Amino acid sequence: GQNIDQPTEMTATEGAIVQINCTYQTSGFNGLFWYQQHAGEAPTFLSYNVLDGLEEKGRFSSFLSRSKGYSYLLLKELQMKDSASYLCAVLDSNYQLIWGAGTKLIIKP
Amino acid sequence: GAVVSQHPSWVICKSGTSVKIECRSLDFQATTMFWYRQFPKQSLMLMATSNEGSKATYEQGVEKDKFLINHASLTLSTLTVTSAHPEDSSFYICSASRAGGDYNEQFFGPGTRLTVL
Repeated sequence: GQNIDQPTEMTATEGAIVQINCTYQTSGFNGLFWYQQHAGEAPTFLSYNVLDGLEEKGRFSSFLSRSKGYSYLLLKELQMKDSASYLCAVLDSNYQLIWGAGTKLIIKP
Repeated sequence: GAVVSQHPSWVICKSGTSVKIECRSLDFQATTMFWYRQFPKQSLMLMATSNEGSKATYEQGVEKDKFLINHASLTLSTLTVTSAHPEDSSFYICSASRAGGDYNEQFFGPGTRLTVL
C-alpha cells in the first residue's frame, strides 16, 4: 500500500528552527510537495522536490532523499504566523497526489 | 498568479437537501480540477478528478450518484452534494491544474465548509 508518515504535532519557540520530517512508501515517485494549511483554510504551496538535495526558499527549505524515501521541511526564524499544519504529499506513478495526515506546528513565544 | 475561487465559502443546509459548490479558476484555464474532502484533524482525501468536457473519475468509496461533478468549461467545475446528510458535513476543497503549465502543481481554492443539520 501507499503510506506517508509525518509527526502528528510539534512545538517550537518563536525565533528558533524546526525540522518536520516525512517518510513515504508509494508506487512510483514523481515529486514531493510541502503545503502549509492554517486552520479552516485551504492548503498553500510551499515547495516541490523531485531531485535529491536541498531547495531553499527564504526562511523555508525542503530536502529530499529518494533512496531513503525521506524528506524534511526546515523552517528558520520561526514566527507566530508559522503556526499551522504542514502537509507532505507525494506524486505517485499515476500522477496522483498521496497526502500525509499533516504535522500541526505550535509556535510558543 | 493562479487564483482559484470557491463559492459559497460556507453553507448550512437541512438534511435531505442538495448543495452545489462552484470552483472557478479566475486567471487561467484549468484542464483538470480536483475535489477533496477534509474532516477535522485529518488529511485531504481526494474524492474525484475531473477533466473539462468529460466525466469525472471518482476515487474508490466515493458515490458518484451522491457527489455529482460537472466540469463544463476550462474555468468552472461544480460539485453537487445530493440529499445531504449530517455525515456529509465537512470541508470541501477544490484545486486546479493549469493548461499548458506544470502538471505537478495544483492551485487550491479557499474551501467550502458544509454543515448539514
